[in-house]
Amino acid sequence: TQLLEQSPQFLSIQEGENLTVYCNSSSVFSSLQWYRQEPGEGPVLLVTVVTGGEVKKLKRLTFQFGDARKDSSLHITAAQPGDTGLYLCAGVYGGGADGLTFGKGTHLIIQP
Amino acid sequence: EPEVTQTPSHQVTQMGQEVILRCVPISNHLYFYWYRQILGQKVEFLVSFYNNEISEKSEIFDDQFSVERPDGSNFTLKIRSTKLEDSAMYFCASKGGPVTLNQPQHFGDGTRLSIL
Repeated sequence: TQLLEQSPQFLSIQEGENLTVYCNSSSVFSSLQWYRQEPGEGPVLLVTVVTGGEVKKLKRLTFQFGDARKDSSLHITAAQPGDTGLYLCAGVYGGGADGLTFGKGTHLIIQP
Repeated sequence: EPEVTQTPSHQVTQMGQEVILRCVPISNHLYFYWYRQILGQKVEFLVSFYNNEISEKSEIFDDQFSVERPDGSNFTLKIRSTKLEDSAMYFCASKGGPVTLNQPQHFGDGTRLSIL
């Protein structure tokens, strides 16, 4: 069974601060997605990373994929209350497998 | 923007009964998935479906579960003889291309299944 560790599990910071969320596995991903999930709703795709070392930016959000494709990070600059939510990383391990393996998520609260 | 739609949003069923959860994937997508999320736990993969057959399933997806694409638009998950521990959010997802193209999966808003 593949395990995907996400940290921190909970994070509460003040508006304007920066933060980083981490996603780690002992196995190599063929691709990795970051989702955001609101209460009572399904995960909404933020980004997909595929290539080792890849960096993608989505406004104040920066996503990095590790060189070995075993880890990823989400960095938020100048966090805003609207960033509050549950952030999930989910990976595909390849070898023909297609189902996503999810982390437990990071509950982020941005206090005004 | 195209989206995955799921019905019903909430299903309450007596233990031992059968339930069918319905999904309409994004119209030009070819790969379909079911996931579940027990309250307070992580999202777990159940099954993937392509070309009218199961392509991958997890240990959770035992003989109690089945999937079907009865027509050109719907994708269903049937749970037979439901148990209390089947209570969860069930998410449907779809994507347009094969795993080799690394396209992302897009999720519906889920069906909350409550077994009494």
